[in-house]
Amino acid sequence: GAGVSQTPSNKVTEKGKYVELRCDPISGHTALYWYRQSLGQGPEFLIYFQGTGAADDSGLPNDRFFAVRPEGSVSTLKIQRTERGDSAVYLCASSLIAGEKLFFGSGTQLSVL
Amino acid sequence: QQQVKQSPQSLIVQKGGISIINCAYENTAFDYFPWYQQFPGKGPALLIAIRPDVSEKKEGRFTISFNKSAKQFSLHIMDSQPGDSATYFCAAPARGQNFVFGPGTRLSVLP
Repeated sequence: GAGVSQTPSNKVTEKGKYVELRCDPISGHTALYWYRQSLGQGPEFLIYFQGTGAADDSGLPNDRFFAVRPEGSVSTLKIQRTERGDSAVYLCASSLIAGEKLFFGSGTQLSVL
Repeated sequence: QQQVKQSPQSLIVQKGGISIINCAYENTAFDYFPWYQQFPGKGPALLIAIRPDVSEKKEGRFTISFNKSAKQFSLHIMDSQPGDSATYFCAAPARGQNFVFGPGTRLSVLP
């Protein structure tokens, strides 16, 4: 596609449920990032992939959060036992060269009731 | 962990005026300092970026000024337009080839 695609655009779930958020990066971009953005704040780093491997997962808040990128393109962010504090916009970005221009998707608005 | 500060938190400018947003960082892992623009409901989009081997970079109405010794860089928007009304984020390089973003500056340009 022309840009970074994230699905779903909105996800409403109940506390304790499991959710998966998908990111389809720009073709050819080897670097993929997940950020989380709360209302009125800047994006907060979660995890960065270079190819298939997680190069830096230091931003994942706890072991309920996990992300994969098995074939080096599409990535899935997985959240177990969701909590109300997980409610935020989850942003995915890809980059042709790690550490340079990030192309962001429009995000997934996650609401945990 | 890298901390990034932005000021002001919000800014109101008349059409045609100059908008100035400042960013301060603590340390760097690599040399690429971007400014992103975000409209409601959209992801951030790169506006302009600089490598600190130069002190200033200009692209159209947008200029980055960089002060490496002070660990600060700023965004100047000349001839501000209502369409520039958005939230602006600076970002500083962190370890592991990722970025730490500032808290954002909400710019409103009055017609």
